[in-house]
Amino acid sequence: GQNIDQPTEMTATEGAIVQINCTYQTSGFNGLFWYQQHAGEAPTFLSYNVLDGLEEKGRFSSFLSRSKGYSYLLLKELQMKDSASYLCAVVRNTPLVFGKGTRLSVIA
Amino acid sequence: DTEVTQTPKHLVMGMTNKKSLKCEQHMGHRAMYWYKQKAKKPPELMFVYSYEKLSINESVPSRFSPECPNSSLLNLHLHALQPEDSALYLCASSQDDARDRVNSGNTIYFGEGSWLTVV
Repeated sequence: GQNIDQPTEMTATEGAIVQINCTYQTSGFNGLFWYQQHAGEAPTFLSYNVLDGLEEKGRFSSFLSRSKGYSYLLLKELQMKDSASYLCAVVRNTPLVFGKGTRLSVIA
Repeated sequence: DTEVTQTPKHLVMGMTNKKSLKCEQHMGHRAMYWYKQKAKKPPELMFVYSYEKLSINESVPSRFSPECPNSSLLNLHLHALQPEDSALYLCASSQDDARDRVNSGNTIYFGEGSWLTVV
């Protein structure tokens, strides 16, 4: 199957660090993307992981363990504008199958 | 520039109407995609075009008809839609089909979407 699991909702405080996990079935895995989507807007590319390890990009980092079928997105120094849905997406024989997304609420 | 342009941004159509959604990119990308997204759901793949040829049709009903006139344009023709087809329709593109080796050049970039309401 294409099961991609993420927590449905998370809440974090402004200025804090939050980690959003994503697990997926490893068969046929070809790469993993993270997208941010604000309500009523299109998904915006954040990061991609092909090989194991951590990819850092400013306040955002993404980690991948291919053997464990596991990834996380780390957001540092949270800002109110980071309140959005975060979508984990996997490439296999079908390009970009999305998880159901994690709705992150950043509170003051 | 990572811009994918979609028109119209909003469309209201009756169940007997024929309309089209349009998508354009000038990044030289050879793969283009249509996704459908319902409220509070993730995007779902509908079609993939690679080098102007349809490579994936995810069992989409025939009332949705894609067309790729050239490497920069992707259309979605709509006919006899149902109210449940109301959704956000997202166009996307990437340098090559994302199933091929995933690298920075194969990132899929999305347009802002077309909000479709079928009445």
